[in-house]
Amino acid sequence: SQQGEEDPQALSIQEGENATMNCSYKTSINNLQWYRQNSGRGLVHLILIRSNEREKHSGRLRVTLDTSKKSSSLLITASRAADTASYFCVLKAKGTYKYIFGTGTRLKVLA
Amino acid sequence: ETGVTQSPTHLIKTRGQQVTLRCSSQSGHNTVSWYQQALGQGPQFIFQYYREEENGRGNFPPRFSGLQFPNYSSELNVNALELDDSALYLCASSAATGEVEKLFFGSGTQLSVL
Repeated sequence: SQQGEEDPQALSIQEGENATMNCSYKTSINNLQWYRQNSGRGLVHLILIRSNEREKHSGRLRVTLDTSKKSSSLLITASRAADTASYFCVLKAKGTYKYIFGTGTRLKVLA
Repeated sequence: ETGVTQSPTHLIKTRGQQVTLRCSSQSGHNTVSWYQQALGQGPQFIFQYYREEENGRGNFPPRFSGLQFPNYSSELNVNALELDDSALYLCASSAATGEVEKLFFGSGTQLSVL
């Protein structure tokens, strides 16, 4: 399978704590994005990092990318109950128009 | 709200039947891609259309086909439905300029094949 692998598969934390999820992949990429999905419906774009970038911030989100290790991580700081969702990394494979989704991390933030 | 709409929201079909799912892109977007998401898994790329031409395809058999219209709306057709086709089908549109890689998703069509 060409899917990215995410870990952990599931994560349960207390409100106010930080949540870190990781994505590993096998192909060369143009960019990597993270999306969030609530209740198994549409996905919402969170952040995009290009292959020549190492770190990017957006609000409470911090994304890192290590192309030599073919891995990325998403950090959500000061989590809230409303952050409860599934999170997916999405790769744009180099030289193709394909978007490859990771297996997802189900985050539960307890109030 | 992404401005991408899909219809219908739910659909029940029987094995062997054919189904058509529809997607209206966000205004100004000329690229549409379709995804299949089985329960508990990540979405799988089916194909992408750019200016009415298919320009990328995932590992799906030919009975999965699509169309994109001049107004950039799109259809996904699945022939000879199988039980394993039961899934959430998502479409996403993306812009012609600017952040062209950013995907705007509809809420999906939940297809059940009995």
